[in-house]
Amino acid sequence: EAQVTQNPRYLITVTGKKLTVTCSQNMNHEYMSWYRQDPGLGLRQIYYSMNVEVTDKGDVPEGYKVSRKEKRNFPLILESPSPNQTSLYFCASRGTVKNIQYFGAGTRLSVL
Amino acid sequence: GQSLEQPSEVTAVEGAIVQINCTYQTSGFYGLSWYQQHDGGAPTFLSYNALDGLEETGRFSSFLSRSDSYGYLLLQELQMKDSASYFCAVKGNTPLVFGKGTRLSVIA
Repeated sequence: EAQVTQNPRYLITVTGKKLTVTCSQNMNHEYMSWYRQDPGLGLRQIYYSMNVEVTDKGDVPEGYKVSRKEKRNFPLILESPSPNQTSLYFCASRGTVKNIQYFGAGTRLSVL
Repeated sequence: GQSLEQPSEVTAVEGAIVQINCTYQTSGFYGLSWYQQHDGGAPTFLSYNALDGLEETGRFSSFLSRSDSYGYLLLQELQMKDSASYFCAVKGNTPLVFGKGTRLSVIA
């Protein structure tokens, strides 16, 4: 079954405590990305990756890091989380047929 | 850059037809997509148009006019379960960009 798996689904943390949200896909897609979703703002892209070791900033990259050491994994790192990073995060991977993007189930992050 | 405009909210009656419009600006164009997202869920792919015209998938259809930079999603025989947010997304020379979404409420 085609899947994008992200963990954890829910996370409550405190300001400044480093955290990582993992993302893995089993479709051998080259393209992966991270979004955050806030009420009224839609899906805003944080970072994307065109392939292994190739990453680039999206629209809202400040305060985030990513890495792409393997094709299937694309973790999102918050080195020093702040309350304004409280949001719903989605990882996604995209194939070449119809540019269909597959989303993970989402990670709801609260930074206190 | 790229930008998309779609209505923020639409309300329609069960069994009716509703159209959600999307206008876009992009440098380069490869296709316009539509995604559905239920509350608490992840966006899921609905349809894709790379060429002008209508694409039909069951009760859902999507239309594209590249010359007008315009597309729409048409939902027929509305059901209560169609209540969700709908996003248009455009693929140009940059990564896929999503609109802010249209919240569809289906009422009895």
